[in-house]
Amino acid sequence: QKEVEQNSGPLSVPEGAIASLNCTYSDRGSQSFFWYRQYSGKSPELIMFIYSNGDKEDGRFTAQLNKASQYVSLLIRDSQPSDSATYLCAVINGWYSGGGADGLTFGKGTHLIIQP
Amino acid sequence: DTAVSQTPKYLVTQMGNDKSIKCEQNLGHDTMYWYKQDSKKFLKIMFSYNNKELIINETVPNRFSPKSPDKAHLNLHINSLELGDSAVYFCASSQDSVTSGSSYNEQFFGPGTRLTVL
Repeated sequence: QKEVEQNSGPLSVPEGAIASLNCTYSDRGSQSFFWYRQYSGKSPELIMFIYSNGDKEDGRFTAQLNKASQYVSLLIRDSQPSDSATYLCAVINGWYSGGGADGLTFGKGTHLIIQP
Repeated sequence: DTAVSQTPKYLVTQMGNDKSIKCEQNLGHDTMYWYKQDSKKFLKIMFSYNNKELIINETVPNRFSPKSPDKAHLNLHINSLELGDSAVYFCASSQDSVTSGSSYNEQFFGPGTRLTVL
């Protein structure tokens, strides 16, 4: 059973600063990692995907992966009040024999608050 | 032209009743899922369904059963509802790709159905 751990927060960051969100995972064989954002009362939406060690940048977002330490992080630069949400880290459970992923295991999410 | 839709959005019912939640995706995806998000906001996979193959999370009670009339639909039937079934249920779909060294799975979620069992 895969496990994904996140600090539930809340994590409070001033507007314009860098928000740093962290995640650890239990299965050393996990290959792909996802960050979803969920606003209160809304459904999760994918914001970043990473599978190689190192950094991956997309606009103000940077995902970092360290497979040796089984650690994934998400950095949000120039934080905006609209970034206030719960951020969910996820890994793929497995794969169907014919293709298609067998669901995601999510962490419990980190609640991020950007203070104006 | 919503990508993943669910009905109803809200469902309030009594303990012991049987209810269904419908899900449809118009993205042409091959895999569909049901997730449960509890009061503590923990999102947990219940079922995944791909090309008539069903994978069930072992912790899901057999009162829950998914039904897929075709590739675009995955409905959730719940029998003998219990208080603990109260949660938000999300349907999702994905079109996955696996290439050397990586596996990509972007899941598109429906808006959720808030189930309240009284």
